[in-house]
Amino acid sequence: NAGVTQTPKFRILKIGQSMTLQCAQDMNHNYMYWYRQDPGMGLKLIYYSVGAGITDKGEVPNGYNVSRSTTEDFPLRLELAAPSQTSVYFCASSLAGATDTQYFGPGTRLTVL
Amino acid sequence: GDSVTQMEGPVTLSEEAFLTINCTYTATGYPSLFWYVQYPGEGLQLLLKATKADDKGSNKGFEATYRKETTSFHLEKGSVQVSDSAVYFCALVARNRDDKIIFGKGTRLHILP
Repeated sequence: NAGVTQTPKFRILKIGQSMTLQCAQDMNHNYMYWYRQDPGMGLKLIYYSVGAGITDKGEVPNGYNVSRSTTEDFPLRLELAAPSQTSVYFCASSLAGATDTQYFGPGTRLTVL
Repeated sequence: GDSVTQMEGPVTLSEEAFLTINCTYTATGYPSLFWYVQYPGEGLQLLLKATKADDKGSNKGFEATYRKETTSFHLEKGSVQVSDSAVYFCALVARNRDDKIIFGKGTRLHILP
């Protein structure tokens, strides 16, 4: 039981490049979330999903896209990377909503130069 | 809108000192309240939670009581250890919005041996 896994751990992008951050969970959780954590700040919700095929915007969705074709996977796509997207990205999952325990991945540290 | 306010850090204490990290919230109705902890280089993990007024959450020697009169959920520990050094996040889930959690900005705690 690996929990929530994220790849890559680190990445440096040039302005305008695109990439996909991978997230997978093996706990059969319905809910999955993407957050970004900027230095000295709390977590901001980018997108979330309440089940396969269903996604919704969070607080800061601009510049990102998601898909949820399976229960296990919830990739985050960055199109046309900008320096403002330099951050640490966390994926999380929970069984039945945000009042359930959220399980976080180890994070992806992204730098856009 | 719904929000969480927690004390600014960093908080620096000596080992075996008493810890309080203040957290207050603004929400419609009675939300569920949480403390999450982030150890260096890791994702967040749930520390404790309380789902109704006067509930006390506890784990690993930490406690927090849901006080609706003061809209507070302060985190306390009687005797901290060096291993408690981490960032602590207070969070809420609104009663009518079970799909997402709102985090405070986090409080960094340093424990000196």
